[in-house]
Amino acid sequence: KNQVEQSPQSLIILEGKNCTLQCNYTVSPFSNLRWYKQDTGRGPVSLTIMTFSENTKSNGRYTATLDADTKQSSLHITASQLSDSASYICVVPTPNTDKLIFGTGTRLQVFP
Amino acid sequence: DAMVIQNPRYQVTQFGKPVTLSCSQTLNHNVMYWYQQKSSQAPKLLFHYYDKDFNNEADTPDNFQSRRPNTSFCFLDIRSPGLGDAAMYLCATSIDRGANQPQHFGDGTRLSIL
Repeated sequence: KNQVEQSPQSLIILEGKNCTLQCNYTVSPFSNLRWYKQDTGRGPVSLTIMTFSENTKSNGRYTATLDADTKQSSLHITASQLSDSASYICVVPTPNTDKLIFGTGTRLQVFP
Repeated sequence: DAMVIQNPRYQVTQFGKPVTLSCSQTLNHNVMYWYQQKSSQAPKLLFHYYDKDFNNEADTPDNFQSRRPNTSFCFLDIRSPGLGDAAMYLCATSIDRGANQPQHFGDGTRLSIL
């Protein structure tokens, strides 16, 4: 069964600290993996899209890694800011369709 | 500037009273999607348009309909909203179909049912 699982479900950190969010997927065949940031009451915004051949991709303070062998991805946030408080969603397209499989997200709260 | 625009941002309707949510895009993308997202849950695809071709998900209730009068606009009609339809409704677009196409989301319309 095609699934995307994320951990932790929620995370609280202090401003300025780093954190890492995890995503495991069982989708096959694999095409790409996407990380989205969703602020409360807003739509998801794309952070990165990683294909099979990419191991690491950065977008500012966000760095995503992908291990296609173990079917794991991580999103590392460096020097967190209050504005990083949001849900982070890992998304993998199902093969041969237009459907996206969404993880249930990690809710990150950054406190001063 | 917002490229996928949803109006209104908040909508309140009465139980059983038809309601229409709208989505417009300035990206000239071929594909437009409607998702339902309930609190603390992942978005659930309701249907999508590839150009004028309507593609309904098998488990989308008949109560939900959609119209796409032109490339830029897509509407979600809920014919008889029930309490369980209270949710955030997200519109998304992609330039084409396929697993490699990124989707661009609007900020959603939060629907409340009285």
